[in-house]
Amino acid sequence: GESVGLHLPTLSVQEGDNSIINCAYSNSASDYFIWYKQESGKGPQFIIDIRSNMDKRQGQRVTVLLNKTVKHLSLQIAATQPGDSAVYFCAENGSGGSNYKLTFGKGTLLTVNP
Amino acid sequence: NAGVTQTPKFRILKIGQSMTLQCAQDMNHNYMYWYRQDPGMGLKLIYYSVGAGITDKGEVPNGYNVSRSTTEDFPLRLELAAPSQTSVYFCASSYKGDNSPLHFGNGTRLTVT
Repeated sequence: GESVGLHLPTLSVQEGDNSIINCAYSNSASDYFIWYKQESGKGPQFIIDIRSNMDKRQGQRVTVLLNKTVKHLSLQIAATQPGDSAVYFCAENGSGGSNYKLTFGKGTLLTVNP
Repeated sequence: NAGVTQTPKFRILKIGQSMTLQCAQDMNHNYMYWYRQDPGMGLKLIYYSVGAGITDKGEVPNGYNVSRSTTEDFPLRLELAAPSQTSVYFCASSYKGDNSPLHFGNGTRLTVT
């Protein structure tokens, strides 16, 4: 999985399978995390967010899990579809807590094979 | 509701030229941001604004300027383009200044030769 600081990893899955994209964050004071999806040639699109007072949050076909002990965040996509192919990256708000202190990961490239 | 709109989509500049990247949002958000995205790198904050008339530097402000005369518009100015400013630029806005997701435009791809 990605880390806020590593080169772009890739994940290839079959259509219909579940996908898990990982993100390691560095700042233990971060209390807000966001997942974005970025399709080729487009801007980042908000998927789901989670506050540090939660361990899990679900959206439509997506689930974000937060493990504060090991500073790890994951995005699970159920029944992955070809339209899910994109770069996914996480962001953490760091010690400042403000949006202008957000640190963005470099992303994971998800490829869905039909 | 168009969200965040950026123009132009693409631009090629010669070294030393200047240009303005336009950004407009129709969500009545007070907070707006400019980021640059370089290949294989995370988004880097150039400038941000917490409301009309207020702007502040981000992580990589050198070579850029901004203004915020209205809530809707947040243009980014490059005065003397340099090859190091070749990048994809994204404008974003948010409802709150913290714990609130950013909404991004589709970017301006700038090449400086």
